[in-house]
Amino acid sequence: KNEVEQSPQNLTAQEGEFITINCSYSVGISALHWLQQHPGGGIVSLFMLSSGKKKHGRLIATINIQEKHSSLHITASHPRDSAVYICAVSGEYGNKLVFGAGTILRVKS
Amino acid sequence: DTEVTQTPKHLVMGMTNKKSLKCEQHMGHRAMYWYKQKAKKPPELMFVYSYEKLSINESVPSRFSPECPNSSLLNLHLHALQPEDSALYLCASSQMTGISYNEQFFGPGTRLTVL
Repeated sequence: KNEVEQSPQNLTAQEGEFITINCSYSVGISALHWLQQHPGGGIVSLFMLSSGKKKHGRLIATINIQEKHSSLHITASHPRDSAVYICAVSGEYGNKLVFGAGTILRVKS
Repeated sequence: DTEVTQTPKHLVMGMTNKKSLKCEQHMGHRAMYWYKQKAKKPPELMFVYSYEKLSINESVPSRFSPECPNSSLLNLHLHALQPEDSALYLCASSQMTGISYNEQFFGPGTRLTVL
């Protein structure tokens, strides 16, 4: 069993839909990261969180430390949101990220 | 300046060549990272430099040689690579608070092809 599990692996949505991507982890962490990668491109850090909830524009990330679970929500999805979304966790000092397999999101217009 | 830059964007090399990848950041970050990413896979950590010292080497073959000449610059020297080393090589940096590492900022990557 991987230390970081994401679901779904693939997700297709219609423009405007509310999207949720889930991440579960089995190890102790100092923080959880949500990353975005467009095809052929570099990685953008969306959120780093260790508790509660963060919001940036149409993106919301939540984490439940007790349940070892995090969700990434995208409101009013748009085709430009199409990308791979990766959940990663960092250990005690945060110098090593353990990555999930990623969720491939396609938003159709 | 809030970005990590990497050069070159693309690199094609033969198995006998020696080449270098370069990564630069001017955010004052004291940790820098090299990752390797194969197609449709998440990144794999290769090396971490903390305060210009190599702090993590994830058992990377010696044909990959990292160098951190100063706090803004990170190089990856390549020699006698194999075709299976073809991948996207990503650099990242993060601020450090004492011995703790903060959010990582990634560069756009170098797409390496080994013939």
